[in-house]
Amino acid sequence: NAGVMQNPRHLVRRRGQEARLRCSPMKGHSHVYWYRQLPEEGLKFMVYLQKENIIDESGMPKERFSAEFPKEGPSILRIQQVVRGDSAAYFCASSPRLAGGPAEQFFGPGTRLTVL
Amino acid sequence: DQQVKQNSPSLSVQEGRISILNCDYTNSMFDYFLWYKKYPAEGPTFLISISSIKDKNEDGRFTVFLNKSAKHLSLHIVPSQPGDSAVYFCAASEKTSYDKVIFGPGTSLSVIP
Repeated sequence: NAGVMQNPRHLVRRRGQEARLRCSPMKGHSHVYWYRQLPEEGLKFMVYLQKENIIDESGMPKERFSAEFPKEGPSILRIQQVVRGDSAAYFCASSPRLAGGPAEQFFGPGTRLTVL
Repeated sequence: DQQVKQNSPSLSVQEGRISILNCDYTNSMFDYFLWYKKYPAEGPTFLISISSIKDKNEDGRFTVFLNKSAKHLSLHIVPSQPGDSAVYFCAASEKTSYDKVIFGPGTSLSVIP
């Protein structure tokens, strides 16, 4: 049973380009979460999605960032017109999200984005 | 506005001794608390959790203690092993939004053989 997959593991972009980060959840998990980790900081919640639905995007920057989790295929975190401040590690997690209480989130290895 | 705080960026402990990692929080609505462990170049892995209705949860060498009145929790690792060397993140979520997990900045633990 493969874990959460993220690709690419490393991504280099120049300022103004677009970055697309992909996440495939664990088999059977229908809930995906994206986090960003800036240097020397903890993980910051960005967005929580179910298939074809954004449930909570309260941690997403208002501009340039978007996320989707289509019916088929991986979840995508898209950053348009990247700036140097977007350089960070982006982690995806998935959960089976049992009804009611909390469910453990399983994390992928992360994508390290470097903006030149 | 940091809702989950880990005031010790790093900690060194001798192998075989106890490691105590501390965490404080400010949000009284937090209902569920977790500890994650992270090795370099890997994603965090879940370690142990505790609900606000409990004050202690134990899993093998790992025990988490929760003091709600002080808004403080701690993770005890006994005995510490070199393989425990990693960054430990304290995290919390509210009952109305278990999916939105708020992480602390992490404590880097080094267990010295």
